[in-house]
Amino acid sequence: DIVMTQSPDSLAVSLGERAIINCKSSESVVYSLDNKDYLAWYQQKPGQPPKLLIYWASTRESGVPDRFSGSGSGTDFTLTISSLQPEDVAVYSCQQYSTIPFTFGGGTRVEIK
Amino acid sequence: QITLKESGPTLVKPTQTLTLACTFSGFSFTTFGMGVGWIRQPPGKALEWLALIYWDDDKQYSPSLRTRLTITKDTSTNQVVLTMTNMDPADTATYYCAYRRPRGDLDFWGQGALVTVSS
Repeated sequence: DIVMTQSPDSLAVSLGERAIINCKSSESVVYSLDNKDYLAWYQQKPGQPPKLLIYWASTRESGVPDRFSGSGSGTDFTLTISSLQPEDVAVYSCQQYSTIPFTFGGGTRVEIK
Repeated sequence: QITLKESGPTLVKPTQTLTLACTFSGFSFTTFGMGVGWIRQPPGKALEWLALIYWDDDKQYSPSLRTRLTITKDTSTNQVVLTMTNMDPADTATYYCAYRRPRGDLDFWGQGALVTVSS
């Protein structure tokens, strides 16, 4: 299985400040047929299902605010929230969907400092 | 508008078989590359991918749970069913179904169904 390791486990950021979450995969998540990084980021608020934020490592899902951005390739990825808002308090998880099983990271909890 | 909803028992006993249904609307199993997957999340823990069924009836399972899982679809009732045998308290979790777009990610999720395994 591809192991997805997120860091940090949690972070507290002041409103309006930047939050950076890292995700590292044990193998490349590049899909051979199209050379895209099959890496997604999800946001999950308490009592709710995950919500897709980013796919193909850096493509923002429709309707997602542009303060959310994804970057990276191969095995190292980052989710950045450029200016933290109160509604961004949540757990963020990365997932690779290049290789079965489509594994998730352990999640990063983002809170307001 | 795509929607999915999980249904099934909230409590099962150890060694029993769990059967969960995912009733969906807003799409059909005719689009090349699409699928419906199952993911679970133990209380306070990370998401775990379980299984996926594709538009062409191809099925993929988590290797660690393969012997216990079966995923099927019924296009006449717009349902995807997951069965998990030999349930254990460690299988206590919220079980989600989700729509897989042809591009691969899961962009529509059900609200989840909490299943507790206890005698």
